[in-house]
Amino acid sequence: SQTIHQWPATLVQPVGSPLSLECTVEGTSNPNLYWYRQAAGRGLQLLFYSVGIGQISSEVPQNLSASRPQDRQFILSSKKLLLSDSGFYLCAWARGTTEAFFGQGTRLTVV
Amino acid sequence: KQEVTQIPAALSVPEGENLVLNCSFTDSAIYNLQWFRQDPGKGLTSLLLIQSSQREQTSGRLNASLDKSSGRSTLYIAASQPGDSATYLCSPSNSGGSNYKLTFGKGTLLTVNP
Repeated sequence: SQTIHQWPATLVQPVGSPLSLECTVEGTSNPNLYWYRQAAGRGLQLLFYSVGIGQISSEVPQNLSASRPQDRQFILSSKKLLLSDSGFYLCAWARGTTEAFFGQGTRLTVV
Repeated sequence: KQEVTQIPAALSVPEGENLVLNCSFTDSAIYNLQWFRQDPGKGLTSLLLIQSSQREQTSGRLNASLDKSSGRSTLYIAASQPGDSATYLCSPSNSGGSNYKLTFGKGTLLTVNP
C-alpha cells in the first residue's frame, strides 16, 4: 500500500533562518507531488507541484522553493524565513489524474 | 482560474441528524472531485472521489453527488455521529497544462453534538 511521510510535525524557526521540509512517498512510482500551505482562516493554497525528478512548477511567487531530487522525495526550502511564512504545510501525491493523498502536515511558526 | 465555495462555513447539529454540505466551483472542466475530511491540526483524509463522468459515489453513511455542468457537488452525511465532527473540504481537479491540480475552498466546519 502507498504511504506518505512528512516531517517534522512542528517547527519553530526565527526570522531569517533557513527551512527544509521533507516529504517522501512509498509504494508507488512516478507520482505527481504537491506542496500546499494552509494559513489560519484561509483555504489550502497550492505552492508547488512536480510531475517528475527535477521538474518543479511554482504557483505563487514567494520566499520558498521546492526540489525533487528523487522520484518519491519532495523538499520545500527557504534561505531566509519571513514571519508571513508561518502556516500549516501539507505534502500530497497523486498518480496521474486519480485520487490524491495527503501527509499529516508540518506546523511552521516563524518567530 | 478555479474558484471553490463551500456553504455553510460552519454547521452544528445534534447527533443522529442527516445533513448536507454544499460545494460550488466555477470551472466545470474537471477530471474529478474529491471530498476530504480534516481533523484539527491534522492532514487531509480522502473520503470520496467522484469521476467527472459519474453522478454520485457512496461510502458507508456518506454520499456525494456531482453536477459537473452546473459546477456543484453535495456531501450527504446520514445519521451523524460526534466522531463526524471535523472540517470537510471539497476539491475539484483541473488540468494545469500537462498537470493535475486540486483547488480547495475554505471548508465547512461540522460539529455534531452528543
